Amino acid sequence: EAQVTQNPRYLITVTGKKLTVTCSQNMNHEYMSWYRQDPGLGLRQIYYSMNVEVTDKGDVPEGYKVSRKEKRNFPLILESPSPNQTSLYFCASSPRLAASTDTQYFGPGTRLTVL
Amino acid sequence: GENVEQHPSTLSVQEGDSAVIKCTYSDSASNYFPWYKQELGKRPQLIIDIRSNVGEKKDQRIAVTLNKTAKHFSLHITETQPEDSAVYFCAASWGSGYSTLTFGKGTMLLVSP
Repeated sequence: EAQVTQNPRYLITVTGKKLTVTCSQNMNHEYMSWYRQDPGLGLRQIYYSMNVEVTDKGDVPEGYKVSRKEKRNFPLILESPSPNQTSLYFCASSPRLAASTDTQYFGPGTRLTVL
Repeated sequence: GENVEQHPSTLSVQEGDSAVIKCTYSDSASNYFPWYKQELGKRPQLIIDIRSNVGEKKDQRIAVTLNKTAKHFSLHITETQPEDSAVYFCAASWGSGYSTLTFGKGTMLLVSP
């Protein structure tokens, strides 16, 4: 089954404790992206990747890191989480480099709470 | 960068009525405008999209219109049903073939039986 998976789905952590949210897709998509969703603010892009070893900042990259060592995986890293990073996070992937004109397939979401 | 404004933030209609959600964008270079539907507790899913060389697109009860001159596009849902209740997001891409989608803040549509 073609899908985008994220782990964990729910995470409660404390300020400053490094964490990684994994994202994996089995559709051989070139483009992958991370969004955060906050009430009243919609979906805001954190980082995106057009291919292996190619990443770039989205609209709200501060406090986050990403890597793209393999085509299928695009982990989101919070080196020192803070309470303002409490949010619902979505990973998404798209078939081609021209991702702006391709359907983005979203993962199920990760609800992160930073105390 | 691109800025997308979406209105209204909430919309309540009776079953069978039509619903219209409007978005404006700032970057005249934007050329791709998708709409996503997000049901409660679920992931966003594409429902329809339009490209800048098309003025209108329909898919059953859903249609999207684009006015490039005015830089706005709209989602029209006819004969609404309770299962249409969800949050709808518009988005725009300033695409030169890659990069980002900028989303509106969403419209919560509630369809009452």
